[in-house]
Amino acid sequence: KAGVTQTPRYLIKTRGQQVTLSCSPISGHRSVSWYQQTPGQGLQFLFEYFSETQRNKGNFPGRFSGRQFSNSRSEMNVSTLELGDSALYLCASSLGQGAHDEQFFGPGTRLTVL
Amino acid sequence: AQTVTQSQPEMSVQEAETVTLSCTYDTSESNYYLFWYKQPPSRQMILVIRQEAYKQQNATENRFSVNFQKAAKSFSLKISDSQLGDTAMYFCDFMKQEYGNKLVFGAGTILRVKS
Repeated sequence: KAGVTQTPRYLIKTRGQQVTLSCSPISGHRSVSWYQQTPGQGLQFLFEYFSETQRNKGNFPGRFSGRQFSNSRSEMNVSTLELGDSALYLCASSLGQGAHDEQFFGPGTRLTVL
Repeated sequence: AQTVTQSQPEMSVQEAETVTLSCTYDTSESNYYLFWYKQPPSRQMILVIRQEAYKQQNATENRFSVNFQKAAKSFSLKISDSQLGDTAMYFCDFMKQEYGNKLVFGAGTILRVKS
């Protein structure tokens, strides 16, 4: 079974631009969660999608948004980029049936904002 | 809000020896899940072990075991017979027992296994 894939792997943007990151979950997984990893703040939960609906949301500003498609693939969008948005963005997929589900992480997208 | 504290930013251990990583957490929930995830250098994060709070028995997975002290809100990870491949960042994580997935991560402990 193929693992979680994220595209692109690396991205360089400038302040004020917007960016879209993509995550393809493991086949059969219906939940996709997004996390931001920075040296200063560590790993922080952004949001989770399950069956095309946002099921959980972290404490990030409205510039961070996401969606999930009928095939469970998910995208996250960051508008009006700031320098502080530079981070490794990880997505994780799971069956989505309960908190006991193991989450499988992708390799991440490294976003650099100049 | 839940918080997870890992007080050891870095640790090192000799190959074949045993090492224990510490983790404490704060929550008012009575039902929850605890996890240890590892993130090897330049590789994907993977689950090491998980513990349901309602279970008194400590979880074990081969060379990995936990010491779960619910009253003390402590959840340490013991790695026996350490191997070079265990070198990684280890995260202690908390998840409420609710509908959906939302991991609260600790700051992580870098573990280096030396030959």
